Amino acid sequence: QLQLQESGPGLVKPSETLSLKCSVIGDSISSGPYYWGWIRQPPGKGLEWIGSIDQSGSTYYNPSLKSRVSISVDTSKNQFSLTLSSVTAADTAVYYCARHVVVVLLLDIPAGRFDPWGQGTLVTVSS
Amino acid sequence: DIVLTQSPGTLSLSPGERATLSCRASQSVGINQLAWYQQKPGQAPRLLIYGASSRATGIPDRFSGSWTGTDFTLTISRLEPEDFAVYYCQQYQTFGQGTKVDIK
Repeated sequence: QLQLQESGPGLVKPSETLSLKCSVIGDSISSGPYYWGWIRQPPGKGLEWIGSIDQSGSTYYNPSLKSRVSISVDTSKNQFSLTLSSVTAADTAVYYCARHVVVVLLLDIPAGRFDPWGQGTLVTVSS
Repeated sequence: DIVLTQSPGTLSLSPGERATLSCRASQSVGINQLAWYQQKPGQAPRLLIYGASSRATGIPDRFSGSWTGTDFTLTISRLEPEDFAVYYCQQYQTFGQGTKVDIK
């Protein structure tokens, strides 16, 4: 059974860079025509897609975060990673990684579902 | 950008009752790649429905999805105690704001 596990610092200072990793357990990150994505949820609020990466390493980002986000994949470690630069308190959230089952690309945005999800990791931006 | 509007914000029902949750898209994208997720406190979202009406693996058949045009519906035929949670719809890169189903 596929499982995903986020890891990384729980506290980041304002203006610094947030870095998280997602370990894929139970299957190869290279198997199947899947993308791998990041979603976040500020405390008490809704869900926001951050971005996704496909098998070839092509990346797709939320336009509202695109200037600060980078997603990469390390097939040798069966992991993919998220970096978010110049963070502020507004970036405080639970960050989830998920397998992105993409059906089609529409206007360069992947359309599909997220399944399964990691359990999430809370990242607080504070000095 | 697509905007997904979920209603109602909160639905107060008793176990055994039928729940009907709505998700309205601001525009059609020509494909029905709408998904529904369930989220319980302190847990990650769980996929319930994809492609507007297909149940995900392991999801009980009391959960069903339907649509008409840009209006999508999640129906829980008979609420079980474990169904009280927040439900989100998602299409494309956008999530709705959620509907909380709580115990009346």
